[in-house]
Amino acid sequence: GEDVEQSLFLSVREGDSSVINCTYTDSSSTYLYWYKQEPGAGLQLLTYIFSNMDMKQDQRLTVLLNKKDKHLSLRIADTQTGDSAIYFCAEKSGSSNTGKLIFGQGTTLQVKP
Amino acid sequence: EAGVTQFPSHSVIEKGQTVTLRCDPISGHDNLYWYRRVMGKEIKFLLHFVKESKQDESGMPNNRFLAERTGGTYSTLKVQPAELEDSGVYFCASSRLTEETQYFGPGTRLLVL
Repeated sequence: GEDVEQSLFLSVREGDSSVINCTYTDSSSTYLYWYKQEPGAGLQLLTYIFSNMDMKQDQRLTVLLNKKDKHLSLRIADTQTGDSAIYFCAEKSGSSNTGKLIFGQGTTLQVKP
Repeated sequence: EAGVTQFPSHSVIEKGQTVTLRCDPISGHDNLYWYRRVMGKEIKFLLHFVKESKQDESGMPNNRFLAERTGGTYSTLKVQPAELEDSGVYFCASSRLTEETQYFGPGTRLLVL
């Protein structure tokens, strides 16, 4: 079945780079997403990548996709305390006729000053 | 443009009671999704509406959950009777028919005692 796995916790120092990793099992995934959830807030779409791309960069965010290994990563450059949040990886299956997203458990990013 | 809104933001009820959650999607979005995050685990898909029709309800846990979207605008998710394991955060998301991005609401935090 479809499954998305993430490490649960990451702690970095302010100014360092953060790398959050995600693996998925569905080889027919079409789009892969990164969502951010700040405390008490909803899910905010950070970025997404189409499955035929290897990399996407958007300001401090870099997404890398290794389709062969089914591995997705999100790199945050110059991490700030405001980046502290839960980061969810999600994939949209190409084999599904609906748009449902399959999420990982979320990675809690702690940024220390 | 207003985002996805959900009501209530929090609900505390006793086991056996009924609760109705409401979601107002972004205007013009025909796709409406319900998801749930239980006990810090992954966010799981519940169901998907296209306009007023249920496109996919494969994620609905059991018949205590009833979702409606009369008129194809807002949607309600009723839990009757609520059980302890129904506690969690219920998210709603919406998108245009041909859009790959889902926009999430802030969620309803449900606690069943």
